[in-house]
Amino acid sequence: EIVMTQSPGTLSVSPGERATLSCRASQSVNSNLAWYQEKPGQPPRLLINGGSTRATGIAARFSGSGSGTEFTLTISGLQSEDFAVYYCQQYNNWPITFGQGTRLDIK
Amino acid sequence: QVQLVESGGGVVQPGRSLRLSCAASGFSFSAYAMHWVRRAPGKGLEWVAVISSAGSNTYYADSVKGRFTISRDNSKDTLYLQMNTLRAEDTAIYYCARDPRTMVRPYYFDSWGQGTLVTVSS
Repeated sequence: EIVMTQSPGTLSVSPGERATLSCRASQSVNSNLAWYQEKPGQPPRLLINGGSTRATGIAARFSGSGSGTEFTLTISGLQSEDFAVYYCQQYNNWPITFGQGTRLDIK
Repeated sequence: QVQLVESGGGVVQPGRSLRLSCAASGFSFSAYAMHWVRRAPGKGLEWVAVISSAGSNTYYADSVKGRFTISRDNSKDTLYLQMNTLRAEDTAIYYCARDPRTMVRPYYFDSWGQGTLVTVSS
């Protein structure tokens, strides 16, 4: 099973600034990596697939990069609605696995 | 718009069974593979099972293999998860999630339901 490790566990950033979230895979997942945003009481929302492709309707301030074992989600110009929990997910191998999440808090 | 609505959760004793449903609307249900994903209290997301668009192929996480069965009725636009021999560690919110493709292959999820809570407790 591929273990996905996200860092940091919690990130405090001020509105308007940039947040950088990391996700590391225990073995290569090529570019088969997705990012999701989750807010309280809501299901996860797909942000990025293929490591860097924004999903339909996702704002341009969200960008993904990386391949292999190291991935980054960058959120530029943070807005109030962006403060949430973010998860990475690999879909290179069975079983599909998720990171434990990074909580993005308002500083 | 795409809507997925889970139902069937509740409190059940260990060793008993429960069947979850996921009603789909707003898209051509029969054209998409579907998954179940769960989140135990205080834990992360865990993928559970997948079924192909036609229902002919399935795949399961080792933790539920032999106990859970995923199925679908494309005439009713509904996904199911039959859960047998339930254990305390199956306690979780269960989400149905849409796969953009038709086949049983690892992929991402482009739409999720709100989830239904299953509590396994005596």
